[in-house]
Amino acid sequence: DVKVTQSSRYLVKRTGEKVFLECVQDMDHENMFWYRQDPGLGLRLIYFSYDVKMKEKGDIPEGYSVSREKKERFSLILESASTNQTSMYLCAITGTSNTGELFFGEGSRLTVL
Amino acid sequence: GQSLEQPSEVTAVEGAIVQINCTYQTSGFYGLSWYQQHDGGAPTFLSYNALDGLEETGRFSSFLSRSDSYGYLLLQELQMKDSASYFCAVSSIYRDDKIIFGKGTRLHILP
Repeated sequence: DVKVTQSSRYLVKRTGEKVFLECVQDMDHENMFWYRQDPGLGLRLIYFSYDVKMKEKGDIPEGYSVSREKKERFSLILESASTNQTSMYLCAITGTSNTGELFFGEGSRLTVL
Repeated sequence: GQSLEQPSEVTAVEGAIVQINCTYQTSGFYGLSWYQQHDGGAPTFLSYNALDGLEETGRFSSFLSRSDSYGYLLLQELQMKDSASYFCAVSSIYRDDKIIFGKGTRLHILP
């Protein structure tokens, strides 16, 4: 079974804090994604990575950065958290069968006060 | 850019059939996929269409028309457990599997 693990299920941070969200996969897959999900807006792509040290901006990269130093780990960084970044963050990886299938982690619910 | 349109809510009766439509605009279209998400859970993959036509997986079927930039998810013999949000998503060949989601359709099932 594919396993995508997100480091924290729930986080509460203060405005201006630096926040790290970690995602680890155990399948040696190339493509990893960070989405945020907000009611009525669906899943919006923040960044994705198709290889180590490679990254591409998604539709809403502003206020975020990412790091992929090892194939299995993809980190989302909020340099200075703001209240409008309160959201559910979902990490995902693609499978190897090229069927458009994404495997998601359980999500990280971030609240910025 | 890429954009997808799907209804925000659909209501159907248990045991009935429901269709959730999705239209998309994208450059370099590669395929259309569907996901189900229950409250509090992560999205789970349902189906994928890269070619025109109907794909069937048990009670769920998905259809794609590339010429119309349109697809739908068909759910048959609805059960209460099918109450969830359903998302269509497009993948693009121009950005190594960049996958963009629609805003989701909330399916309400009445007994």
